Amino acid sequence: GAGVSQSPSNKVTEKGKDVELRCDPISGHTALYWYRQSLGQGLEFLIYFQGNSAPDKSGLPSDRFSAERTGGSVSTLTIQRTQQEDSAVYLCASSKGQGETQYFGPGTRLLVL
Amino acid sequence: GEDVEQSLFLSVREGDSSVINCTYTDSSSTYLYWYKQEPGAGLQLLTYIFSNMDMKQDQRLTVLLNKKDKHLSLRIADTQTGDSAIYFCAAPGAGTYKYIFGTGTRLKVLA
Repeated sequence: GAGVSQSPSNKVTEKGKDVELRCDPISGHTALYWYRQSLGQGLEFLIYFQGNSAPDKSGLPSDRFSAERTGGSVSTLTIQRTQQEDSAVYLCASSKGQGETQYFGPGTRLLVL
Repeated sequence: GEDVEQSLFLSVREGDSSVINCTYTDSSSTYLYWYKQEPGAGLQLLTYIFSNMDMKQDQRLTVLLNKKDKHLSLRIADTQTGDSAIYFCAAPGAGTYKYIFGTGTRLKVLA
C-alpha cells in the first residue's frame, strides 16, 4: 500500500478484556516494528520482525503482550487481560530492511477503562 | 545504551524561526532522524542526516549536526501555524535497528 495502515484507529475496552491491534506495512517492506507511546512520554520499542527471522521481543513489557506477523506482511499485536496502564497509542512502523528508515502508521489509541 | 534528550516545549511567533535541539549519547549512529507528530496522528518522517554530514537543508528545514558535542538541531524558517506539532529526534542504537526516541518537543506557533 501507499503507507503503513493500522486498525482500529481507536479502541476502548474494559479492564481484563483482550484486544488485538492490526498493522499493514508498506508493500515490500521486510521489517516491521511496534512501539508504544504513553501520554507525555516518548516512544517505547516493543517488538521487531525482520523477514522470516525470529522476532526481537525484548521490548514487550509483560507476557500479556504478544505479536505475530503472518506471511511476512500483516502483523497483529495482542494484549491479554488489559490493564489501565496499557492505555497508550500503539504505533507500527515498517522499513525496507534492517537499519533502513522507518515509516510510521497513524497509530491505534487504546483506552482501558 | 543510547539516550536521546530534547527540551519539552518551544513557543514561537508566526514568521519567526524555530530551533529544536536534541542531544544523544551514542556517537556510532549512522543516521539521525527528525519526525513530526501532529495532534491525533502518527509520526511523519521530516528529514534525516547522515552522520558524516554537518548540515542538511531541505526547503524551510535546516538540520545541523555537531558530532563532537553529540548535538542535533532542527531549524524551521518562517514558522507557520501548521508547523505546530511535536517533533521527535531519533537515533538508532549502535549496531541495532532500534530507534531511540527523545521525549519530543512540543512546538506551539502563535499567530
